[in-house]
Amino acid sequence: DTAVSQTPKYLVTQMGNDKSIKCEQNLGHDTMYWYKQDSKKFLKIMFSYNNKELIINETVPNRFSPKSPDKAHLNLHINSLELGDSAVYFCASSQYFPPAQTDYGYTFGSGTRLTVV
Amino acid sequence: TQLLEQSPQFLSIQEGENLTVYCNSSSVFSSLQWYRQEPGEGPVLLVTVVTGGEVKKLKRLTFQFGDARKDSSLHITAAQPGDTGLYLCAGVKLASGTYKYIFGTGTRLKVLA
Repeated sequence: DTAVSQTPKYLVTQMGNDKSIKCEQNLGHDTMYWYKQDSKKFLKIMFSYNNKELIINETVPNRFSPKSPDKAHLNLHINSLELGDSAVYFCASSQYFPPAQTDYGYTFGSGTRLTVV
Repeated sequence: TQLLEQSPQFLSIQEGENLTVYCNSSSVFSSLQWYRQEPGEGPVLLVTVVTGGEVKKLKRLTFQFGDARKDSSLHITAAQPGDTGLYLCAGVKLASGTYKYIFGTGTRLKVLA
């Protein structure tokens, strides 16, 4: 009954490879996000989709491309992986945007630890 | 430039002690949230505060939003090992006509039995 599930949990790959991370939510939320958490645990937003429409696209290399086939899914594809892409990537969803009304915030997945070697 | 600075960055205390974590900014936020993240998991929402001066309690946790809505604190009474985790504040502000949602720098708490 996982609310936000992302796969894989761990991903180890070589520089230059292309990889994808999948995310699905069963909460009926309209908005989904991708966040990157660096080694210092700082969370930075990358993308956000509302009903399959891109609404937030922060300064992220264009090697990163999100895709939302429907409002329950938001996948992240990364081309030509670099060492600096190593991090934990979190998918999240929210009922409202911004997700800051009382008692309503983000629901996060458990993260994908990407290691580029 | 980090808009939401948390202090302390790391905190290791004994079970039963009290502690306070601070979340400070020079900007005004329309609301502020606190999350707790355990190892290998995503952050989980604890509370949202929206009014300046607001105080909310969640069992042994007390959250306060500053009167000017620029800062917040989290106080834990009689900490337990289960409180161990990364505590993140996060705020929403309106900037250039769009909403910005920003996470703080985080406080890693370890409560020793």
